Amino acid sequence: AQTVTQSQPEMSVQEAETVTLSCTYDTSESDYYLFWYKQPPSRQMILVIRQEAYKQQNATENRFSVNFQKAAKSFSLKISDSQLGDAAMYFCAYRSGGGYSGGGADGLTFGKGTHLIIQP
Amino acid sequence: KAGVTQTPRYLIKTRGQQVTLSCSPISGHRSVSWYQQTPGQGLQFLFEYFSETQRNKGNFPGRFSGRQFSNSRSEMNVSTLELGDSALYLCASSFGPDSPLHFGNGTRLTVT
Repeated sequence: AQTVTQSQPEMSVQEAETVTLSCTYDTSESDYYLFWYKQPPSRQMILVIRQEAYKQQNATENRFSVNFQKAAKSFSLKISDSQLGDAAMYFCAYRSGGGYSGGGADGLTFGKGTHLIIQP
Repeated sequence: KAGVTQTPRYLIKTRGQQVTLSCSPISGHRSVSWYQQTPGQGLQFLFEYFSETQRNKGNFPGRFSGRQFSNSRSEMNVSTLELGDSALYLCASSFGPDSPLHFGNGTRLTVT
């Protein structure tokens, strides 16, 4: 079974600065996806960024970027120019690839989350 | 485009009762999955449906069940409720197994 570990229960950063959230995972699969989701107090899980394991290039979405180290099984999220609206719980998640016929797609496996606080 | 809609948003039930939660996916999405979120266990996968067929199931007892209709809407049912079933239940939809999941706002279930 796959596991996802987020070692930082809480992080705090000053507005406009950069912060990096850590995530490591354990898997024996070669085909998979990694995600970062954001959950503000409104409870809705919002997809921040997605990375396909077969892609060496790190994914980027505006101020959000990842550092994907496949050999080290590490998937950290960097938030640049932090804004007050970035304050939320951030969850790292893993999903097997290969579709249903490939035996994958057995749901997302989430880490415990990192509570990100933005100091004004 | 409307997002994933979950009803009701809040629910209070008594131990031993049963409950049905509803999820309407984003238009065009054929996959619906359900997750349970609690402070102690975090986010846990319940099950996933695609084209009215259950594709995968998480490690939950048989009291938890679900179904998907021909219009891709999904329901999950929990029978013989226990106090430990109190949680936020999140529904997510996607085009298919290799597409990103989009979540609804969840249903907060409280069992007393």
